Amino acid sequence: AQKITQTQPGMFVQEKEAVTLDCTYDTSDPSYGLFWYKQPSSGEMIFLIYQGSYDQQNATEGRYSLNFQKARKSANLVISASQLGDSAMYFCAMREGVIYNQGGKLIFGQGTELSVKP
Amino acid sequence: AAGVIQSPRHLIKEKRETATLKCYPIPRHDTVYWYQQGPGQDPQFLISFYEKMQSDKGSIPDRFSAQQFSDYHSELNMSSLELGDSALYFCASSSRLNQETQYFGPGTRLLVL
Repeated sequence: AQKITQTQPGMFVQEKEAVTLDCTYDTSDPSYGLFWYKQPSSGEMIFLIYQGSYDQQNATEGRYSLNFQKARKSANLVISASQLGDSAMYFCAMREGVIYNQGGKLIFGQGTELSVKP
Repeated sequence: AAGVIQSPRHLIKEKRETATLKCYPIPRHDTVYWYQQGPGQDPQFLISFYEKMQSDKGSIPDRFSAQQFSDYHSELNMSSLELGDSALYFCASSSRLNQETQYFGPGTRLLVL
C-alpha cells in the first residue's frame, strides 16, 4: 500500500500567488516525521520543511508552510508569493519512528510538478 | 555551510562493468543513506549506515554493496551493471540532533550503455 500519496501530478500557479501541494500519508507508528523536498530540473534534492508528528504547531520556513492535519493524515505544503524559481518537482516524504524504522529511511510520494507562470 | 559531497557527478559505464560511487557526509552527521531515483520516479531507499554500521537495507540488488569508512565517508559499489541501473544516485546524511532531517548531495547520474 502506498504510504505517501501526492494526487497532483502537475500544478500551475501564477507568479506571486499562493499554491498548495497536497500530501496524504499512512502509518500506524505514533512517532513519525514529514518532509518536503524540492527537486529542480538540475536534479538536486533540496530540503524545504519538516513537521514532527508530536509538533503542536504547523511548521513554517520563510515562504513555505506545512498545513498539518493529523486526524486526516495530511501534510500539505503551502508556498506563498510564488516565484519563477519555484518551478520544480516537489516531493513529500515520511520517516517512520523507531518502532517501525530503525534506520530512519525516507519514503517518498510520487511528486508534484509545479510550474509558475509569469 | 558544508553540504554532502558526491563523486563523480556523472558516470557512463558499459553493461557488466563495475562502478563505485563516493559520498562525503556533512561533518558531524552520524547517518548516511543511499537512494536510487530512476527516470520520472521518486527516490527509493537502498541502504543506510549509522556510525559506520549498516542500520537498514532496502531494495538494494545483491550486485550492489556499500560501506562506511572510519572517516564517515561512504561508498556504493555496483557490479555487473545492467541497463536498468541507469539512474540518479543520491547520498544523504543526517544527525539525530536535528530531527534526523536528511540533507541530500547533488547526486551521481549513472548511465549504463
